[in-house]
Amino acid sequence: ILNVEQSPQSLHVQEGDSTNFTCSFPSSNFYALHWYRWETAKSPEALFVMTLNGDEKKKGRISATLNTKEGYSYLYIKGSQPEDSATYLCALGDVDYGQNFVFGPGTRLSVLP
Amino acid sequence: DAGITQSPRHKVTETGTPVTLRCHQTENHRYMYWYRQDPGHGLRLIHYSYGVKDTDKGEVSDGYSVSRSKTEDFLLTLESATSSQTSVYFCAISEKKREVYNEQFFGPGTRLTVL
Repeated sequence: ILNVEQSPQSLHVQEGDSTNFTCSFPSSNFYALHWYRWETAKSPEALFVMTLNGDEKKKGRISATLNTKEGYSYLYIKGSQPEDSATYLCALGDVDYGQNFVFGPGTRLSVLP
Repeated sequence: DAGITQSPRHKVTETGTPVTLRCHQTENHRYMYWYRQDPGHGLRLIHYSYGVKDTDKGEVSDGYSVSRSKTEDFLLTLESATSSQTSVYFCAISEKKREVYNEQFFGPGTRLTVL
């Protein structure tokens, strides 16, 4: 079973702070990486689909980078707002697993007003 | 929003009873998944389907079975529910376009409590 790790497990920041967290994964059979945002009592929603080493994606104040050779992806949030409070999941696509992405445990972000 | 519904949304049942959860999609996506969400484990794959009548086991399939007789419906059955199966169950769908497995779209979840 693939081991996808995310750090930190949880994070508390003040409104306006910028923050980032990490998704680490084995890189030998990398296929794609997805980032999801998961608000409490809702369903996960996709943020980014990343496939190429060096990929950088951006959506508003949230951006992500990908390093497939060393097996990590960073998610950055600039100027955090209370509505950014959620759990952020990464999911790894591996060639040997086909369409089944392996989810990390998530980073829970709380933005305090 | 992707057209995915789950039913029921909440269910309380007793140990030993059979339970079936339904996932229905209107997106005509080929791939469908059942996950369970548990504290400390995130999302874990129970079973998945890659087409009508084509299903396979995921990471935590013991005690669960699935069926997919139509593209739009994916059923998850607990043959004899146990307390360890108390969880929130999410259905998801995805598609493959131009050799890329796209992101998954999730249903609203079903909260199951087994007493």
